[in-house]
Amino acid sequence: EADIYQTPRYLVIGTGKKITLECSQTMGHDKMYWYQQDPGMELHLIHYSYGVNSTEKGDLSSESTVSRIRTEHFPLTLESARPSHTSQYLCASSRSDGGGYTFGSGTRLTVV
Amino acid sequence: AQKVTQAQTEISVVEKEDVTLDCVYETRDTTYYLFWYKQPPSGELVFLIRRNSFDEQNEISGRYSWNFQKSTSSFNFTITASQVVDSAVYFCAKRGNAGKSTFGDGTTLTVKP
Repeated sequence: EADIYQTPRYLVIGTGKKITLECSQTMGHDKMYWYQQDPGMELHLIHYSYGVNSTEKGDLSSESTVSRIRTEHFPLTLESARPSHTSQYLCASSRSDGGGYTFGSGTRLTVV
Repeated sequence: AQKVTQAQTEISVVEKEDVTLDCVYETRDTTYYLFWYKQPPSGELVFLIRRNSFDEQNEISGRYSWNFQKSTSSFNFTITASQVVDSAVYFCAKRGNAGKSTFGDGTTLTVKP
């Protein structure tokens, strides 16, 4: 059973819509991440958080925003979706001691 | 950013062949961790191994083995007697002192029956 959950699994949405991708983990991990990934391709870090009320932008410029009000929850929001946002979004979490990441199943977003 | 390089973009083997996936990394960190992940067609990344930079012992887990050579900054992954279910994209990653992991571009492994 997955310890990190992403919803929705698939999403097709029209240009200009506001969307929130949900990510929750039950492992009590301090660190959480959002990656953008095209299938089989390199992951690009777009946001990360090292704890509650801590968020940072990652290596890849993104028009999305994140929040971390609770340890277990790290939602990602796109205020106005565009076709260029079409991709897979992977949420991950990890312990602070260098433990390996746990990834969610991803949200495959298509903006039409 | 300190790079992780997986030189092989795609590898195709026949079942029961051994296959090695290469990973070379750059680092200025004194302490770091190295990882391998598997991404099957379902999309979920599966954590395979973590190696601390202080621990250069090779590791074997079933048909999987990892060879860490600090002198050459390499962390290669070998699958022995490959199976069709090993078909996936495999990612090598490094995490340094700052905590942000750097991933390689991935190697797509296809194991044919």
